[in-house]
Amino acid sequence: GDSVTQMEGPVTLSEEAFLTINCTYTATGYPSLFWYVQYPGEGLQLLLKATKADDKGSNKGFEATYRKETTSFHLEKGSVQVSDSAVYFCALLKGSYIPTFGRGTSLIVHP
Amino acid sequence: GAVVSQHPSWVICKSGTSVKIECRSLDFQATTMFWYRQFPKQSLMLMATSNEGSKATYEQGVEKDKFLINHASLTLSTLTVTSAHPEDSSFYICSAKGGVAGVYEQYFGPGTRLTVT
Repeated sequence: GDSVTQMEGPVTLSEEAFLTINCTYTATGYPSLFWYVQYPGEGLQLLLKATKADDKGSNKGFEATYRKETTSFHLEKGSVQVSDSAVYFCALLKGSYIPTFGRGTSLIVHP
Repeated sequence: GAVVSQHPSWVICKSGTSVKIECRSLDFQATTMFWYRQFPKQSLMLMATSNEGSKATYEQGVEKDKFLINHASLTLSTLTVTSAHPEDSSFYICSAKGGVAGVYEQYFGPGTRLTVT
């Protein structure tokens, strides 16, 4: 079946550091790929998405590129802030509209 | 944009009682809603898929008689945890399938923290 694998956390960085959170997927067909962010005590918010190969999703300084050849959708940000501290979930979605989520990666940014 | 609300945002109940959680799509009609459960520091676990006007489809291992789901209208689905026990304490998140011009995605509610004492 379909699956999403994320790097284990927590990822701990200093403010203004470069962020990469790895995400790879296994799926048949052509899924859409998503990154969701969950701030403490809150639900999930869509951060960015890409619907086809080579698409780049971007939002709030975060970006991720849909790489079909490596089945990856790594999340990057050039300069993180303390307010970016949250849990980040990679997910894929196909026609059933039920996302397959990764386990989530906690990001902790220190001042 | 599409907004999904949940009520209450947190609830504390005594063991043996039942508690109802509401999920509403505020500015769109959702023929399909989903209920998830999230344990601390873990990913979301899909509990059931709720279709308006029909019975919910439960995932394997989820007790349908304990977690009652009703999707009575295109903007409201409810999850009732019956005879709650401390092990039911969790963060419950709903989502709704919605879209514009044939492009669909899931929109998530803010979650409900349930604590059973």
